[in-house]
Amino acid sequence: QSVLTQPPSVSGAPGQRVTISCTGSSSNIGAGYDVHWYQQLPGTAPKLLIYGNSNRPSGVPDRFSGSRSGTSASLAITGLQAEDEADYYCQSYDNSLSGSNVFGTGTKVTVL
Amino acid sequence: EVQLVESGGGLVQPGRSLRLSCAASGFTFDDYAMHWVRQAPGKGLEWVSGISWNSGSIGYADSVKGRFTISRDNAKNSLYLQMNSLRAEDMALYYCAKGRSGSYYQDYFDYWGQGTLVTVSS
Repeated sequence: QSVLTQPPSVSGAPGQRVTISCTGSSSNIGAGYDVHWYQQLPGTAPKLLIYGNSNRPSGVPDRFSGSRSGTSASLAITGLQAEDEADYYCQSYDNSLSGSNVFGTGTKVTVL
Repeated sequence: EVQLVESGGGLVQPGRSLRLSCAASGFTFDDYAMHWVRQAPGKGLEWVSGISWNSGSIGYADSVKGRFTISRDNAKNSLYLQMNSLRAEDMALYYCAKGRSGSYYQDYFDYWGQGTLVTVSS
């Protein structure tokens, strides 16, 4: 089981804003390790969406934003579009598991 | 253009072995850590193993430690995963992923392959 917890699903109408939480602990996010986010469209490989808590790789729309505070992080999608329907995963590092990169449980975003 | 192409997946019986390969191109392979990430059918992502640019540091998830061995050949721009004593719970799509730094820990994954499917069944 993952040490980073995400809601199984979130949904919103086109144009709305949705947020996805990623809750960790003092051995990962709370220890100051960066959080990264990935988008996985149906049937495809994951794609890096946000790195270093709040940075977008080239080509990622500015509708996607990330933040980190305490033992949690969040991904926000503003102006939700049909093409945003996908699974989203947070990822960080945990120093209690023999030193492991760890993923969140994943969140399915549905565009109503 | 960065390309990562996995191979070596297939059907294997429990307890047997399999070796996955990942051919990399489009970047300076020996500058970056490399990783294996897996995804069981209908499940989430799980980091499996990572290796630093010079093979000096290696890490494994607890679920595979002692059974899987990661390695790389910088001369061939290739990454490998030797999987021994395979179990039903190892059945998954295995992705090769490029790290963003030279070290495998505290790393993230900026490019991914399309994956190779490992099926463990008798």
